[in-house]
Amino acid sequence: SQTIHQWPATLVQPVGSPLSLECTVEGTSNPNLYWYRQAAGRGLQLLFYSVGIGQISSEVPQNLSASRPQDRQFILSSKKLLLSDSGFYLCAWSLGFNTEAFFGQGTRLTVV
Amino acid sequence: RKEVEQDPGPFNVPEGATVAFNCTYSNSASQSFFWYRQDCRKEPKLLMSVYSSGNEDGRFTAQLNRASQYISLLIRDSKLSDSATYLCVVRSGGAQKLVFGQGTRLTINP
Repeated sequence: SQTIHQWPATLVQPVGSPLSLECTVEGTSNPNLYWYRQAAGRGLQLLFYSVGIGQISSEVPQNLSASRPQDRQFILSSKKLLLSDSGFYLCAWSLGFNTEAFFGQGTRLTVV
Repeated sequence: RKEVEQDPGPFNVPEGATVAFNCTYSNSASQSFFWYRQDCRKEPKLLMSVYSSGNEDGRFTAQLNRASQYISLLIRDSKLSDSATYLCVVRSGGAQKLVFGQGTRLTINP
């Protein structure tokens, strides 16, 4: 069966520090991969999605970037964190189009 | 206008009641639709897909109205464990993107 791993679960980082969040999927090939952010008490905002290795679509201009170096690996990065980057970051995968997505357990990031 | 809109609630209903949520979407080319459930400080989990003809899963019924561009979720005989935030989700952008509504918060009271 397919599983998705996301780490770390919790992260506290100072303003101006770099960020790297990693997400990996097991048990499937060529998944669509997504990064979402959820601010406290708010809905999910799509940040990036990828339909294949090296293919990244960005949804909103921001302080973040994403990369997909391997088929089942999706990385969210920042060179310098801002206070406004705090939130709950969720990685998700789906197969093909018109199918549901499955989420990792999320990383709760607090920028101080 | 947001691509997917939901009434954020909160909805507070007594145990055993029937409760319904609606969600509207703006992109008429949207191709598939889902309801997710999110518990506090947890990741969203798929509750059910929404099919054109409507579908039922136990106490939960989902319906799609393409003409009016809305989907609905009906929960019958609500349980305390149904307390959660319910997220409406629409596939758009060539079906590559999953767009979430802001969620409707539901609390079932004993």
